[in-house]
Amino acid sequence: SQQGEEDPQALSIQEGENATMNCSYKTSINNLQWYRQNSGRGLVHLILIRSNEREKHSGRLRVTLDTSKKSSSLLITASRAADTASYFCATVPQGAGGTSYGKLTFGQGTILTVHP
Amino acid sequence: SQTIHQWPATLVQPVGSPLSLECTVEGTSNPNLYWYRQAAGRGLQLLFYSVGIGQISSEVPQNLSASRPQDRQFILSSKKLLLSDSGFYLCATAGAGYNEQFFGPGTRLTVL
Repeated sequence: SQQGEEDPQALSIQEGENATMNCSYKTSINNLQWYRQNSGRGLVHLILIRSNEREKHSGRLRVTLDTSKKSSSLLITASRAADTASYFCATVPQGAGGTSYGKLTFGQGTILTVHP
Repeated sequence: SQTIHQWPATLVQPVGSPLSLECTVEGTSNPNLYWYRQAAGRGLQLLFYSVGIGQISSEVPQNLSASRPQDRQFILSSKKLLLSDSGFYLCATAGAGYNEQFFGPGTRLTVL
């Protein structure tokens, strides 16, 4: 089942602006990952944040995690037209005995459009 | 790094016809392998995963089956396709420590 819910479903901004996407989930997690998907293509891993971390940075990406609220956010700063894509959060659950085989549960995604 | 190949890239099949989608992986050995389906404008749904040759776990009841005849080969099949089987099928493998998954380019299946 899809436990992740993302908002907004679609986001349209101008180049240079920041884009913020939010993700909520329902069960306890081992880690949360963000992926990017260009139209009609496979997904590309962007960043991972573990359940004991609160914030992580990678280049123009900033991810936060609030396990008490079961939510995460992805911030893309100084957006570019090339950032236009769908963005998905995905969680790895805390499985029985700590073994979940890396199975990911994806959110529904946010479609980001960055206008030049 | 790991590379995942999927074919065909697109497929149009009539209802009731069989299906076979293939995924092969390079750059790793004994990987965990996953099949996902993505409906239009939606997130990914995990269909099957495999932790080794001949070991398949199904996540949702469905009209599809999976097989892993070789270490780096993962096949998705159906005996009779339904309209609801249309979608974008993605094969993936897990990186070390399950810190990320690597995805193939996908197969877009249209069942008419």
